[in-house]
Amino acid sequence: AQTVTQSQPEMSVQEAETVTLSCTYDTSESNYYLFWYKQPPSRQMILVIRQEAYKQQNATENRFSVNFQKAAKSFSLKISDSQLGDTAMYFCAFMKQGRYDGGSNYKLTFGKGTLLTVNP
Amino acid sequence: EAGVTQFPSHSVIEKGQTVTLRCDPISGHDNLYWYRRVMGKEIKFLLHFVKESKQDESGMPNNRFLAERTGGTYSTLKVQPAELEDSGVYFCASSFLKGKETQYFGPGTRLLVL
Repeated sequence: AQTVTQSQPEMSVQEAETVTLSCTYDTSESNYYLFWYKQPPSRQMILVIRQEAYKQQNATENRFSVNFQKAAKSFSLKISDSQLGDTAMYFCAFMKQGRYDGGSNYKLTFGKGTLLTVNP
Repeated sequence: EAGVTQFPSHSVIEKGQTVTLRCDPISGHDNLYWYRRVMGKEIKFLLHFVKESKQDESGMPNNRFLAERTGGTYSTLKVQPAELEDSGVYFCASSFLKGKETQYFGPGTRLLVL
């Protein structure tokens, strides 16, 4: 079974600064996907960024980037130039990759989340 | 394009009562997932539909939970009878048939059992 650990229950950052959220995971799989989702207050959870484990290059999406260390099983999220709208709960999630055989290959395993507050 | 919708947004019921949650996935998404987040804990997988078929229900807590997806469109999750420990936020997500596709989440239903 996979586990995902987010060791920072809460974090805060000043507007325009950079913040890094940590995530570690444990798995025996060699092929998988990793995700960061965010859930703003009273709003829907949306995908921030995804990383395929077979890709060595770290994924980036505008101000969001990841530091994927496969050997260390680490997947941190860096938010540059933080904005007030980045205030949200951030969830790290794991999904194993496999042949679609009607099984449970595509369920997400989540960490407990990190509540990020961006202060003006 | 409409996103994943869930109804109701909130539900407060007494222990022993029945509650039915509904999820409408994004049109064309054959995969539908139910997840639950109990206060202070991880979001946990409950079950997975492909069209109208249950592909994996390994996360369902017990037989008080019944999920259906008639016709492969919307899904319902019924809790009968509800217990205190069933309180939490129930999320629905959907994705295209190729399972590696991004899962899109609904806003969740907050269930409180008193």
